[in-house]
Amino acid sequence: ETGVTQTPRHLVMGMTNKKSLKCEQHLGHNAMYWYKQSAKKPLELMFVYNFKEQTENNSVPSRFSPECPNSSHLFLHLHTLQPEDSALYLCASSQDLWAQVPYFGPGTRLTVT
Amino acid sequence: SQKIEQNSEALNIQEGKTATLTCNYTNYSPAYLQWYRQDPGRGPVFLLLIRENEKEKRKERLKVTFDTTLKQSLFHITASQPADSATYLCALGGGGSQGNLIFGKGTKLSVKP
Repeated sequence: ETGVTQTPRHLVMGMTNKKSLKCEQHLGHNAMYWYKQSAKKPLELMFVYNFKEQTENNSVPSRFSPECPNSSHLFLHLHTLQPEDSALYLCASSQDLWAQVPYFGPGTRLTVT
Repeated sequence: SQKIEQNSEALNIQEGKTATLTCNYTNYSPAYLQWYRQDPGRGPVFLLLIRENEKEKRKERLKVTFDTTLKQSLFHITASQPADSATYLCALGGGGSQGNLIFGKGTKLSVKP
């Protein structure tokens, strides 16, 4: 958890709400990632950013909108979510895209009602 | 399609015994394999990485083996302690972008005193 922080840690939202998840890394890394972890499923990579540029979008629905204003901050904007989007959303960072070990944040537990 | 299987969802062992977790994969040729520990409500924490040309790696009470012929990795925790109780994830990497990491669902280890 050290080095990558995420806020909020818990979020409950209705299907018509708009909310944002925030991630900040203090490690001087250049690559940042959003992962989704649902119960009894493996981690799913959602988005990859390298030097603020999005390099990967793994067929994520448009109701999830990432934003990376600089190499230290990453946001995930949420709107009109579905109950099946309830999950633990994890942010991670690595030195660059070729670094083999990502550092994960503590996650945001999202519940969509 | 690529598939990773971790031998069981849950593993219960007695304190002091050796815990052995299994990770099998198909339709993939990883350049390296990683093991992570994840505590409830937390992000995964990196433990060990083993490359395709390595047979075994050790770190304190942890030992990882990697058999690319069997397409299997074994993760051992010797002299297990209740504090070792957590979910352990394996992940495969193909080299290049870290976004290529593919995770297993994890095995929840419980060490009873």
